[in-house]
Amino acid sequence: EDQVTQSPEALRLQEGESSSLNCSYTVSGLRGLFWYRQDPGKGPEFLFTLYSAGEEKEKERLKATLTKKESFLHITAPKPEDSATYLCAVQLLYNFNKFYFGSGTKLNVKP
Amino acid sequence: SAVISQKPSRDICQRGTSLTIQCQVDSQVTMMFWYRQQPGQSLTLIATANQGSEATYESGFVIDKFPISRPNLTFSTLTVSNMSPEDSSIYLCSAAGETEAFFGQGTRLTVV
Repeated sequence: EDQVTQSPEALRLQEGESSSLNCSYTVSGLRGLFWYRQDPGKGPEFLFTLYSAGEEKEKERLKATLTKKESFLHITAPKPEDSATYLCAVQLLYNFNKFYFGSGTKLNVKP
Repeated sequence: SAVISQKPSRDICQRGTSLTIQCQVDSQVTMMFWYRQQPGQSLTLIATANQGSEATYESGFVIDKFPISRPNLTFSTLTVSNMSPEDSSIYLCSAAGETEAFFGQGTRLTVV
């Protein structure tokens, strides 16, 4: 069964305290893994797409990496404005219309 | 990147009525989807909106309850029919190309 699991559910960090969010997946075939940021009351904001194991992408304080079983979203020296829920989703190789979302990690960065 | 305009942004509706949500994309996209997001929960795919043909619904969602139209490559509508309080949720439109998938700002629906 295709499944996406994110951990931790919630994460509290002090400003400047780096950490990583995890997205583990079990799918029949992976076409792409997507990371999103979602602020309260808003739609998800696209961050990255990763396609193959070993791939990395960066944007400001965020870096996403991908292995054959999981993806990490590394947050370096976070700021309070990085507080949001981070969602990952996998797109299936054999059915591009299928996107499975994880339950998200709610990040709170304290000043 | 694609910009997705979704309206209304929020509505409060009486039970038994229907609401149609509109989604406009600023560029032609291959795929359009409709999701539901319960408070504090992740996204659940309702259906894939197919241009010029019937939408493809996920398990647990039916056309009579959630009729969807997609008359062209940039526009789609989702209707929530015969609403009950259990339909209170955020409804999100999504558009995807080859390498990216974008979301509208969502429609917050409250059924009273």
